[in-house]
Amino acid sequence: DAGITQSPRHKVTETGTPVTLRCHQTENHRYMYWYRQDPGHGLRLIHYSYGVKDTDKGEVSDGYSVSRSKTEDFLLTLESATSSQTSVYFCAIRGTGDSYEQYFGPGTRLTVT
Amino acid sequence: RKEVEQDPGPFNVPEGATVAFNCTYSNSASQSFFWYRQDCRKEPKLLMSVYSSGNEDGRFTAQLNRASQYISLLIRDSKLSDSATYLCVVTLNTGGFKTIFGAGTRLFVKA
Repeated sequence: DAGITQSPRHKVTETGTPVTLRCHQTENHRYMYWYRQDPGHGLRLIHYSYGVKDTDKGEVSDGYSVSRSKTEDFLLTLESATSSQTSVYFCAIRGTGDSYEQYFGPGTRLTVT
Repeated sequence: RKEVEQDPGPFNVPEGATVAFNCTYSNSASQSFFWYRQDCRKEPKLLMSVYSSGNEDGRFTAQLNRASQYISLLIRDSKLSDSATYLCVVTLNTGGFKTIFGAGTRLFVKA
């Protein structure tokens, strides 16, 4: 158990509304990631963070922003949700040392109507 | 061409069968390799890392062939509880660290 929680676990929202998803970790990991998973696609990286206030874009970052003001929290914001952002969102942390494996939170199912 | 490719399946096998999955990757600079397991509506979980010398964990054996750029996962004596989607994962560092996930192979083990 990597001590990762996500909130909310499920959300239904309307097109055009802002949405913020939260990822919380308890083990002081430096690297944190946000992915989305859609049928037929592998997990796709949205944004990642390599420290407090240090973030960078992934391959599908358009329409998303992130913030990390504390080591333990990594927030993903959809400024104006669209139906194409209906997906399952996973947060992950990277293992310590030289390992590159990642450990995932339980996911957030987001539906944009 | 996708950077990491897997046969989506599904693979339908009886209990006790041996089943093998392959995964190919396109970037020869790939450094680290993993297999993850994902149950329906759950998060992916690390199953095992894959080393050049091959490695085994109980009924699971992973192998890496760098020359042909593929990795494999062999499951022996399949159990009902092995039913899941298996994700092939590759990391590389080409000026920036990057992790690429395959879309997964579905396995159904039936009694």
